[in-house]
Amino acid sequence: DQQVKQNSPSLSVQEGRISILNCDYTNSMFDYFLWYKKYPAEGPTFLISISSIKDKNEDGRFTVFLNKSAKHLSLHIVPSQPGDSAVYFCAASARYGGSQGNLIFGKGTKLSVKP
Amino acid sequence: DADVTQTPRNRITKTGKRIMLECSQTKGHDRMYWYRQDPGLGLRLIYYSFDVKDINKGEISDGYSVSRQAQAKFSLSLESAIPNQTALYFCATSDGRGSAGRNIQYFGAGTRLSVL
Repeated sequence: DQQVKQNSPSLSVQEGRISILNCDYTNSMFDYFLWYKKYPAEGPTFLISISSIKDKNEDGRFTVFLNKSAKHLSLHIVPSQPGDSAVYFCAASARYGGSQGNLIFGKGTKLSVKP
Repeated sequence: DADVTQTPRNRITKTGKRIMLECSQTKGHDRMYWYRQDPGLGLRLIYYSFDVKDINKGEISDGYSVSRQAQAKFSLSLESAIPNQTALYFCATSDGRGSAGRNIQYFGAGTRLSVL
């Protein structure tokens, strides 16, 4: 059973507009959430993270929002640029509960930003 | 030079062959991981190691083995490759000496493996 779900396999956005990528999770033990970006022929690269004690974390054009009651997080990219076109993975970890802090990944969302 | 280096980058092999994928890192991290990525399935953990004497199975360890030769080196072996092991394989590292749970992992560029 998937513990981290990214229900949208793909998303297309116009350059300059906002991109919103969504992620849902089922395990209430998760206390740290990360977003990774992956270009073709490269490994995933860390983008931004958020602890469960916060509801928002911002880094430049990237903001992650966490809604613990809904077990939902989202990544906002404003403004979107063509170079943001990539696959975005949501990941979660739990300090306790037997998973030893390992990351559980969603299946990814492919973002295309059109010029 | 990349902090996490995987070799080879591409490999084609035949069913039944033994192959080894290698990973080395210069980040000084104690934790290392092997993942596979299949289309539409995201990243799934095969094995992980928190130090040289520690090896743990991940979600999909059947058909794979690993060796942590040194803190900086972690290799993945397919003892007898089969076609459904065709996938993209990633090595990753993290620093476990920080706050537990703050597990940012850093990935290599990947190895594309095809088993015919």
